[in-house]
Amino acid sequence: GAVVSQHPSWVICKSGTSVKIECRSLDFQATTMFWYRQFPKQSLMLMATSNEGSKATYEQGVEKDKFLINHASLTLSTLTVTSAHPEDSSFYICSAMDRTMGEQYFGPGTRLTVT
Amino acid sequence: AQSVTQLGSHVSVSEGALVLLRCNYSSSVPPYLFWYVQYPNQGLQLLLKYTTGATLVKGINGFEAEFKKSETSFHLTKPSAHMSDAAEYFCAVSDRTGGFKTIFGAGTRLFVKA
Repeated sequence: GAVVSQHPSWVICKSGTSVKIECRSLDFQATTMFWYRQFPKQSLMLMATSNEGSKATYEQGVEKDKFLINHASLTLSTLTVTSAHPEDSSFYICSAMDRTMGEQYFGPGTRLTVT
Repeated sequence: AQSVTQLGSHVSVSEGALVLLRCNYSSSVPPYLFWYVQYPNQGLQLLLKYTTGATLVKGINGFEAEFKKSETSFHLTKPSAHMSDAAEYFCAVSDRTGGFKTIFGAGTRLFVKA
């Protein structure tokens, strides 16, 4: 099946710094990628829809200036958490949409810890 | 708007017993429905999906689910639980006409007793 990678898999940063997370579709082109956030023992909450070559669409309540999303190519989307705070600590998961198959493929997730 | 309700945040079964995880959905358009499994500190693995056609869908690891439009349900079953089935299970609905945005249920933790 199709593979989606995320980098890094785990990151610790200090409060006030910014962190960039990459999401790549390895063997297919994805015009649409999604970013999710998952708190411990909770479900995945959709943060935003990332469309190649255009601005991301954010879900209600998600700060677009804090969570910067860039989808510069058909295989790469990045999520930058700006001025991170401890409450941003979470598991961030991306998915890439293969429209020819009508299916999403999920990345393995990135564990962010802000100290 | 779409939504998913998973009945029971925790389900416990004995090894070899039937597994039944319940999922009800709400969608204004014909939905795509999914079941995913998540092991601790890992991403999601697709178990099975319903798009169109046959309403009984078979997935990996012996799981299956049946789409019942009249009941707006998509319950997940497995005839005989194995210890390795212990994990978190998520039901999800996607709107094919809305950019395939996917909404997840709250999840059900499956415990399997020896």
